[in-house]
Amino acid sequence: QQQVKQSPQSLIVQKGGISIINCAYENTAFDYFPWYQQFPGKGPALLIAIRPDVSEKKEGRFTISFNKSAKQFSLHIMDSQPGDSATYFCAAKAGDNDMRFGAGTRLTVKP
Amino acid sequence: EAQVTQNPRYLITVTGKKLTVTCSQNMNHEYMSWYRQDPGLGLRQIYYSMNVEVTDKGDVPEGYKVSRKEKRNFPLILESPSPNQTSLYFCASRTYRSDNQPQHFGDGTRLSIL
Repeated sequence: QQQVKQSPQSLIVQKGGISIINCAYENTAFDYFPWYQQFPGKGPALLIAIRPDVSEKKEGRFTISFNKSAKQFSLHIMDSQPGDSATYFCAAKAGDNDMRFGAGTRLTVKP
Repeated sequence: EAQVTQNPRYLITVTGKKLTVTCSQNMNHEYMSWYRQDPGLGLRQIYYSMNVEVTDKGDVPEGYKVSRKEKRNFPLILESPSPNQTSLYFCASRTYRSDNQPQHFGDGTRLSIL
């Protein structure tokens, strides 16, 4: 059973558009919510992360929105570029080891 | 360069033939972990290690073994591989020296068990 539910499974966006990926969780013990970006043939790499005491975090074109009461968080990629084409994983962590990953979203940005 | 190195990157083998996937990190990280990545399931943790000689099961440990005799190495052992272990495997490491440090992943090992 997936503890972190991620949608959509795949996403196609035009260059310059906004990409939005959503995640939902049930475990209220989760206290750290990272997003990882994975290019083909590579391992996931940390993109941006948020703690539940803030509702939004922005780093360049990437923004995490966090809704603690709804137990949902999302990644927004503004001005999406073909170089952003990758698989994105949301994750949630509780304690020292309990990191749970979403199923992943394959993003394609068309030129 | 800080990195997590996995070997081999690709392996095709047959059911029942023991294999080992090596993982080495050069960042002096205390924590290391193995994941498998399957379509539609994301990354699922197989085993993790908090430090030398300390290992524990993740979510999907059946059919796998690990050891942590040295801080830098964390090999994954499949004693009798079966086709359902065909997957993409990732090793990761991180430090405990401060909270919520990111995991650093290797580039993956694609295993095919025939």
